[in-house]
Amino acid sequence: GDSVTQMEGPVTLSEEAFLTINCTYTATGYPSLFWYVQYPGEGLQLLLKATKADDKGSNKGFEATYRKETTSFHLEKGSVQVSDSAVYFCALLDRDNAGNMLTFGGGTRLMVKP
Amino acid sequence: ETGVTQTPRHLVMGMTNKKSLKCEQHLGHNAMYWYKQSAKKPLELMFVYSLEERVENNSVPSRFSPECPNSSHLFLHLHTLQPEDSALYLCASSQVPGRAEAFFGQGTRLTVV
Repeated sequence: GDSVTQMEGPVTLSEEAFLTINCTYTATGYPSLFWYVQYPGEGLQLLLKATKADDKGSNKGFEATYRKETTSFHLEKGSVQVSDSAVYFCALLDRDNAGNMLTFGGGTRLMVKP
Repeated sequence: ETGVTQTPRHLVMGMTNKKSLKCEQHLGHNAMYWYKQSAKKPLELMFVYSLEERVENNSVPSRFSPECPNSSHLFLHLHTLQPEDSALYLCASSQVPGRAEAFFGQGTRLTVV
């Protein structure tokens, strides 16, 4: 079956530090890949996505590249801000998945200190 | 209005109460989902409705009962819950078929006392 593995948190960084959150996946088909972010007390918001190999998704200074050869979709940001403190979820949507059911990783909490 | 709206945002209920969570989407989607998010646990998919038919029921206890009267509305009826059912309940919607992402509501924070 499909699965997503993320690095466990919390990840604690100082403001303006470089961020990497690792994500690897297994899928039976050719999935689309997503990063969602959940700010405190809120639901999940789509941060970025990529639908095919070598695609780079980007938004709000965050980037992730679809690497089919390593089955990875690592999230990066060059300079984090306190406002980036949240929980980040990597997810996949398998083409063969009826009902468009996302498979989520366990989430990684990011804490950015001023 | 936001894309996916959940009400109420917060709910406290006793174990003998009956309550319902409501979700409404204004995105024209045809699939809707209920997720449960508990502290220190992975996100759990509870129910999936696609084209108003239930297509997934992940071994959810019968004290949770979903209802999808049309493609824009989704309910989760709750009765005789347990304290361990306290969690954030998230609703989402998407368009099927296809590979589009799901859009989430802000969730209902449920506390069972």
